[in-house]
Amino acid sequence: DVQMTQSPSSLSASVGDRVTITCRASQDIKYYLAWFQQRPGKAPKSLIYAASTLESGVPSRFSGSGSGTDFTLTINSLQPEDFATYFCQQYNFYPYTFGQGTKLEI
Amino acid sequence: QLQLQEPGPGLVQPSETLSLTCTVSGDSISSTDYSWAWIRQPPGKGLEWIGSIYKSVSSYYTTSLRSRVTISADTSKNQFSLKLTSVTAADTAVYYCARLLVVGSRGSPYWGQGTLVTVSS
Repeated sequence: DVQMTQSPSSLSASVGDRVTITCRASQDIKYYLAWFQQRPGKAPKSLIYAASTLESGVPSRFSGSGSGTDFTLTINSLQPEDFATYFCQQYNFYPYTFGQGTKLEI
Repeated sequence: QLQLQEPGPGLVQPSETLSLTCTVSGDSISSTDYSWAWIRQPPGKGLEWIGSIYKSVSSYYTTSLRSRVTISADTSKNQFSLKLTSVTAADTAVYYCARLLVVGSRGSPYWGQGTLVTVSS
């Protein structure tokens, strides 16, 4: 199984900051990686897929990059609604696997 | 507009079988662009992919649950279902159905709202 390792597991930041979350795969997954945002009590929401394709309606302050085994999610100019938990997920191989999540806190 | 709805039983007795059905509207579960998945999230924890069905016929499962899980599809109703046998308290979680991507997908992922299933006597 492909292991997805996210870092950090939690992150404190302020409104207006720029943050980066990293996701590392245990083997080459090309660019078949998605990022999701989850607010408390809500279902995950798609942010980015194919490593760098921004989901329709998602603000441009979100961006994704990477290929192979190393990927990043960057949020520029944090807004209050961005404080949530973020997950990566690989879809190059079955079984699909998620990162353990990064909780972004004020 | 795409919708995935997965109403649940709420409470399941230990050792019983958990059954959930996801009704999809706005897309076809026979599509070759997506993997129709079940994912769960224990309270306060991360996401665990349980398994998927692809093109309504090919099922894939996570290694740790493979002996207890069955995912199937009913194309006439555009639904896919999850059965998890011999449940314990460790299976207590919010269960989501979702449209996830496959290699070469041209669309984007989408999740249902989730249903909390508690395993308790």
